[in-house]
Amino acid sequence: LAKTTQPISMDSYEGQEVNITCSHNNIATNDYITWYQQFPSQGPRFIIQGYKTKVTNEVASLFIPADRKSSTLSLPRVSLSDTAVYYCLVGGGSSGNTGKLIFGQGTTLQVKP
Amino acid sequence: NAGVTQTPKFQVLKTGQSMTLQCAQDMNHEYMSWYRQDPGMGLRLIHYSVGAGITDQGEVPNGYNVSRSTTEDFPLRLLSAAPSQTSVYFCASSTDLSYEQYFGPGTRLTVT
Repeated sequence: LAKTTQPISMDSYEGQEVNITCSHNNIATNDYITWYQQFPSQGPRFIIQGYKTKVTNEVASLFIPADRKSSTLSLPRVSLSDTAVYYCLVGGGSSGNTGKLIFGQGTTLQVKP
Repeated sequence: NAGVTQTPKFQVLKTGQSMTLQCAQDMNHEYMSWYRQDPGMGLRLIHYSVGAGITDQGEVPNGYNVSRSTTEDFPLRLLSAAPSQTSVYFCASSTDLSYEQYFGPGTRLTVT
C-alpha cells in the first residue's frame, strides 16, 4: 500500500497562496491521488483528485510531476475558513488494493488574520 | 438526498457491552467503509464493502464486525466494547473507490 508523508502543520495568512506537498514514493501505476479537507467535529470532505499533470477546480489546484512520487495541493488566496486538516490519499486504482484507501496524519493548516 | 447518515451521534458504553453503529446512504453507492479517528490522528480504515454481500478488512478490524445485506446499509458491530475503542467513527460511501467519498457526520463513542 502506498504510504503518504505530509508536513504535520503549516501556518499562513489570509490572502496568501498555500501549497501543501505530499510524498508517495510507492504509488502504484493505477493509483489516484486525492485530497480531503476536515473541519473539527466533521467528516472529511473531498477537495480534488488527479492522476497526472495538473487538475484545477473551483477551490484548489493539484500538481503532479511526471514520476508521480509526490503531489502538491495549492489553495489560492486562503481565508480564515480554510483553517482545517488536509489529507492526501493515494489509492483507488484497480491494482489489487481495492478498498484500502489509507489516510495519513494530515496537515493542519492554520490561517491567521 | 440525505447523503450519508449515522446513528447515534453520541454513545457511552461500559466495557464488555456490545452495540451496533448504523450507517445508511441514499445515493445508491456500491462502495462503503468505516473509519475511526482518535484525537490528533488521521482516519484509520476498519472495514469496507464493495457491494452488497461483500466485505473486507481494513487496517484495524479487530473487535469489529460488519455485514452488507443491502446497498443502502452498512452497520458496524462492536462485539465486546473496550476502552481502546473510544473514538469517533465515520462512515463513508462512493460510487467507486476511485471516486469522491462522501462522509457521514460521525458517531462519538466513549467506552468506560
